[in-house]
Amino acid sequence: AQSVTQLDSQVPVFEEAPVELRCNYSSSVSVYLFWYVQYPNQGLQLLLKYLSGSTLVKGINGFEAEFNKSQTSFHLRKPSVHISDTAEYFCAVSHMKTSYDKVIFGPGTSLSVIP
Amino acid sequence: DTGVSQDPRHKITKRGQNVTFRCDPISEHNRLYWYRQTLGQGPEFLTYFQNEAQLEKSRLLSDRFSAERPKGSFSTLEIQRTEQGDSAMYLCASSLGQGARDYGYTFGSGTRLTVV
Repeated sequence: AQSVTQLDSQVPVFEEAPVELRCNYSSSVSVYLFWYVQYPNQGLQLLLKYLSGSTLVKGINGFEAEFNKSQTSFHLRKPSVHISDTAEYFCAVSHMKTSYDKVIFGPGTSLSVIP
Repeated sequence: DTGVSQDPRHKITKRGQNVTFRCDPISEHNRLYWYRQTLGQGPEFLTYFQNEAQLEKSRLLSDRFSAERPKGSFSTLEIQRTEQGDSAMYLCASSLGQGARDYGYTFGSGTRLTVV
């Protein structure tokens, strides 16, 4: 079975500062990895995904994430955050081998950007 | 097409009542998923359809929960004899093809259920 750990439940950061949101996963098989963002009172929106190939993945809104297989991590980064980045961020994993793609989500990290 | 629509946005019900939620996916999406999200947690997978076939329902929380997608288009999630522990946000998502592997999910805004 897969599981996802997001080590920080809340991350406050000043505007224009860099940020890293940490994600570790556990799986006995190869997986696909995702980051989703949820703005207040909205559904989740896909930020980026890792399927294969380059371990550095670029997504929307200036976010990027790096897949590290040896550390089973998929940390999300942004070099300079904006107020509009305040939201809940979810790391997620999907099993590569199943015939369907049930996605397992982590508990989320609440990013608060301080003016 | 404006995305995945869920109705109602909010539902308050008394304990013991039945509730039904509707999800209209993006029209060309063949896969549809239901998730439940409680406060401070990530979405928890409930069930999934490929067209009208329900291919995974083992995660439905109890036999009080059921879901249908009769014509492979919209879907309904019903909770019978609601309990206070059912209070949560119920999210619907849809996808194309191989789903998350190719395109990721498109989520609706959810239905927030409060059982009093």
